[in-house]
Amino acid sequence: AQSVTQPDIHITVSEGASLELRCNYSYGATPYLFWYVQSPGQGLQLLLKYFSGDTLVQGIKGFEAEFKRSQSSFNLRKPSVHWSDAAEYFCAVGPQGAQKLVFGQGTRLTINP
Amino acid sequence: DGGITQSPKYLFRKEGQNVTLSCEQNLNHDAMYWYRQDPGQGLRLIYYSQIVNDFQKGDIAEGYSVSREKKESFPLTVTSAQKNPTAFYLCASLPGLAGDTGELFFGEGSRLTVL
Repeated sequence: AQSVTQPDIHITVSEGASLELRCNYSYGATPYLFWYVQSPGQGLQLLLKYFSGDTLVQGIKGFEAEFKRSQSSFNLRKPSVHWSDAAEYFCAVGPQGAQKLVFGQGTRLTINP
Repeated sequence: DGGITQSPKYLFRKEGQNVTLSCEQNLNHDAMYWYRQDPGQGLRLIYYSQIVNDFQKGDIAEGYSVSREKKESFPLTVTSAQKNPTAFYLCASLPGLAGDTGELFFGEGSRLTVL
């Protein structure tokens, strides 16, 4: 069965610092991978996705993620965070696009001024 | 503007009562989903529907029921059989297999509290 692990429940970084959120997945075939962001009390918004091709994908709001098959990882990065990036971030994996996604537990990001 | 509307945003219920959460979309999407969100557990799939008058159980369907009589609407009923119903419920939609852009569109959620 497919699964997603986000090892960090909560991360705090200073504004302007770089960010990396970890995501490891377990899936038997080539996965479809996603990162979503959720502001408090809101729904989720897609940041970026990986289906195939270039393993470094660019998303909205200056985020990028790298698919590493050998490590079963899809880590999210941003070179310089802004206070508005404070939110919860979810990694997800799906067998066929976004159909029946399996989500990780989420990582809550706090930004120090 | 196109989107997904969930109502009510907040709902309180006494134990033993059924409650129905509304989800309406005007995106003309075929597929609709209900997820439950609990702190530290991410999102878990309750039910999904890929076409009108058809739906399938997700990973945690026990104690819930749904209907899909219209393409735009996918209401979720939390029944008294659901042992721990207090949670944040999210509805989402997808164009469908043929138009799967890989982006689930989410509503803003409904927070249910059982007193």
